[in-house]
Amino acid sequence: AQKVTQAQTEISVVEKEDVTLDCVYETRDTTYYLFWYKQPPSGELVFLIRRNSFDEQNEISGRYSWNFQKSTSSFNFTITASQVVDSAVYFCALSETNAGNNRKLIWGLGTSLAVNP
Amino acid sequence: DTAVSQTPKYLVTQMGNDKSIKCEQNLGHDTMYWYKQDSKKFLKIMFSYNNKELIINETVPNRFSPKSPDKAHLNLHINSLELGDSAVYFCASSPDMGLAISYEQYFGPGTRLTVT
Repeated sequence: AQKVTQAQTEISVVEKEDVTLDCVYETRDTTYYLFWYKQPPSGELVFLIRRNSFDEQNEISGRYSWNFQKSTSSFNFTITASQVVDSAVYFCALSETNAGNNRKLIWGLGTSLAVNP
Repeated sequence: DTAVSQTPKYLVTQMGNDKSIKCEQNLGHDTMYWYKQDSKKFLKIMFSYNNKELIINETVPNRFSPKSPDKAHLNLHINSLELGDSAVYFCASSPDMGLAISYEQYFGPGTRLTVT
């Protein structure tokens, strides 16, 4: 069963619109970490944020904000006043601390965001 | 000052050839990874090394052999290349000690491998 679900495959918005990228995860661990990465058209993978399971505070960084809700197992990402440079594929990922020999990031399939001028 | 570097950036080769991709990180991290990203952008872990020791081998064909001469380098050698090996290969590193993944990973720019 998929443990990280990014239900939105593609999103298209017009510049200056706000957009939320959804991430729903599944784990039985009480301690885990969640990540968001950005992959712009140039291809590199850029780390955006890390959140541990004990820190439910929302995070804001400029136009980016993240809403972590353990009750719904979601870690959603909102871009306010989107810009063309935000166009990219965004990945959500999960790390379980009790993974044993399975110590790897569990990646979502990504959401492709197109911000049009 | 590139944190994680990979060479080459592009690699075009014929089926049956053997090729290598090199990766170096100057972040002082203990753990390094190889990922394969297919045309649908799906990221799949291939290998992970902690301080030169293999800790994850994710059911990758034996034609793929990672080599870590020291903890700053993790190279990937591929024998008898097949069409299905065409993908983008990413190297990454993190300060994790290999027991769990609790830190972010820093990725190289990727190597686009095309097998014809």
